[in-house]
Amino acid sequence: GNSVTQMEGPVTLSEEAFLTINCTYTATGYPSLFWYVQYPGEGLQLLLKATKADDKGSNKGFEATYRKETTSFHLEKGSVQVSDSAVYFCALYSGNTPLVFGKGTRLSVIA
Amino acid sequence: SQTIHQWPATLVQPVGSPLSLECTVEGTSNPNLYWYRQAAGRGLQLLFYSVGIGQISSEVPQNLSASRPQDRQFILSSKKLLLSDSGFYLCAWTGQGLPNEKLFFGSGTQLSVL
Repeated sequence: GNSVTQMEGPVTLSEEAFLTINCTYTATGYPSLFWYVQYPGEGLQLLLKATKADDKGSNKGFEATYRKETTSFHLEKGSVQVSDSAVYFCALYSGNTPLVFGKGTRLSVIA
Repeated sequence: SQTIHQWPATLVQPVGSPLSLECTVEGTSNPNLYWYRQAAGRGLQLLFYSVGIGQISSEVPQNLSASRPQDRQFILSSKKLLLSDSGFYLCAWTGQGLPNEKLFFGSGTQLSVL
């Protein structure tokens, strides 16, 4: 079945540090890939997505590239801010099945 | 515009008590509706989803159930809560004509079973 594996947290970084959160997937067919973000006390919201191989999704300074050869969709940001502190979920959509999420990675950015 | 309401925001219940969490969507019709649970160390787990009134698909066998008595209402229930039911419950929807992967989430219910 479809599954998503993302790096275990928590991740603690200083402000302006470089961020990478790894995500790999297993899926049949050609899935679409997503990153969702959950700020403290809130539900999840879509951060970015990519629907085919080599696509790059980007939003709010975050980027992720759909790598079919390595079945990966790693999230990156060049310079994190305190306001980026949140839980980040990698997710996969294939066919008509509901979204499959990873376990989430908590990011804490300290000033 | 569309909005999703989920309540209560927090709930503390004793083991063995019943549960009812409610979720409603406004501003759209015939949405696909979802219940997810976020438990410590276990990530976000899909519990139920519904593509229409009275149509419920269960992803994980457990002592929870879901119902959709009206088009934009989705209820999560239990007759007898277990300690393992503690977690953060999220309702979500996506609309007809929208990609199924674009989910809009409610603000969640933090359930503590003691």
